[in-house]
Amino acid sequence: EAGVTQFPSHSVIEKGQTVTLRCDPISGHDNLYWYRRVMGKEIKFLLHFVKESKQDESGMPNNRFLAERTGGTYSTLKVQPAELEDSGVYFCASSQPLGGGNTEAFFGQGTRLTVV
Amino acid sequence: DAKTTQPTSMDCAEGRAANLPCNHSTISGNEYVYWYRQIHSQGPQYIIHGLKNNETNEMASLIITEDRKSSTLILPHATLRDTAVYYCIVRAPNTPLVFGKGTRLSVIA
Repeated sequence: EAGVTQFPSHSVIEKGQTVTLRCDPISGHDNLYWYRRVMGKEIKFLLHFVKESKQDESGMPNNRFLAERTGGTYSTLKVQPAELEDSGVYFCASSQPLGGGNTEAFFGQGTRLTVV
Repeated sequence: DAKTTQPTSMDCAEGRAANLPCNHSTISGNEYVYWYRQIHSQGPQYIIHGLKNNETNEMASLIITEDRKSSTLILPHATLRDTAVYYCIVRAPNTPLVFGKGTRLSVIA
C-alpha cells in the first residue's frame, strides 16, 4: 500500500512567486493534515481536512496560504506570493475516517521549500 | 501549545534499552498518548499510542502510569538507526497532533 506522497520534494522559488505543493494521502483516509517546520523551530500544525471540508485551519499563518482538497482526495497548498519566512519543510499527514476511532496519522516525506 | 514535557536530550548505548520519559499531567480522559519520531529531516514516523493500558508493538513498548500523568517509551534494543528526535503527544480523537520540542536521542556505538 502506498504511503502519503508529496510533490515536489524540493522547491526553490523567488520571493513574490507562487508555489503549489501537493499531497496524496493514503487511499481511504478522510483526515488530511498539513504541517510546517521552519528551521530551528518546532513542527507546527497548519490545517486539517475531513474529506473536502476544512475542519480546522487555525494554524494557517496568513491569507497568502490557500489549501484545497477538491473531491476529498489529494490536497494542494498554494503560497502566493511567497515570502522569505515561508521557507521550511511542509509535511502532509493522513489518517483513517472518523469511524475508525483514534488512529495514527501517517506522514509524507515533506516538501522542502526555499524562498530566495 | 504542547501539553507534554520531555527531556531535551538523552544518550543510549547501542544494544541497550532506551527509556524515554514524558510528563502529561493535564491529560484529559479522552486523550491518547502518542509517540512519533523524526530521523534527520524525514517525515515524522508513528511509533505507538495508548490510552491507559501498556502497549507493545514491533518497534517499542509504551508504559503509562495508572494516573495517566506520565508515560515511558521503551526501545528494547536501541540501534544506531534509532537516533532521532522523539515526540510524546497527547491527542483527542480526530484532532491534529501538536508537536513540542521532543527528546533528541543519540544512540552511541
